[in-house]
Amino acid sequence: ETGVTQTPRHLVMGMTNKKSLKCEQHLGHNAMYWYKQSAKKPLELMFVYSLEERVENNSVPSRFSPECPNSSHLFLHLHTLQPEDSALYLCASSQYVGGGEQFFGPGTRLTVL
Amino acid sequence: GQQVMQIPQYQHVQEGEDFTTYCNSSTTLSNIQWYKQRPGGHPVFLIQLVKSGEVKKQKRLTFQFGEAKKNSSLHITATQTTDVGTYFCAGPLPNSGGSNYKLTFGKGTLLTVNP
Repeated sequence: ETGVTQTPRHLVMGMTNKKSLKCEQHLGHNAMYWYKQSAKKPLELMFVYSLEERVENNSVPSRFSPECPNSSHLFLHLHTLQPEDSALYLCASSQYVGGGEQFFGPGTRLTVL
Repeated sequence: GQQVMQIPQYQHVQEGEDFTTYCNSSTTLSNIQWYKQRPGGHPVFLIQLVKSGEVKKQKRLTFQFGEAKKNSSLHITATQTTDVGTYFCAGPLPNSGGSNYKLTFGKGTLLTVNP
């Protein structure tokens, strides 16, 4: 148990669907992250939030929309995805941005049909 | 751009053999971290090295941080089947705007062990 939970664990969606991934951390951390992990690009950083403020957006397509309502919760809203977006989406948190160990959630395995 | 490079990408060993993965940064790092991801699992933090030339041990695992703080290695002595997984190194590199640091991961080394 890492203190970071993610739901759902598995998701299958069509290209016209809208879905959301949820992440919650119970560690009192100030920074939260979304990563995409696929066979081609392991651990690709997507978004970074520090105290609910987005501090990094690594040229991610607009069909991925993050939301951080408070320092414990992080969402990734998905719409009109492509099959190449199929991957493992990992959420992580750390004490502060840029340093300190990161605690990862179990991930959401996303398949886009 | 600045990056963290890791070799080899894959390593297959017989149980009982030793294993080493190497990590190199294009720039000096304030610290380096190592993570392990079991097949089907998520990355789990193993250790952080901070000092130049630092060596830390965890049972059969030995971690080293280079004198110039630009490279690191993870060595496993007498591998076991429980060591199977992908080992990632990660170091804080400046973000694109230079205003902050982001933990940048290497591509990882996938270790498989033949019993």
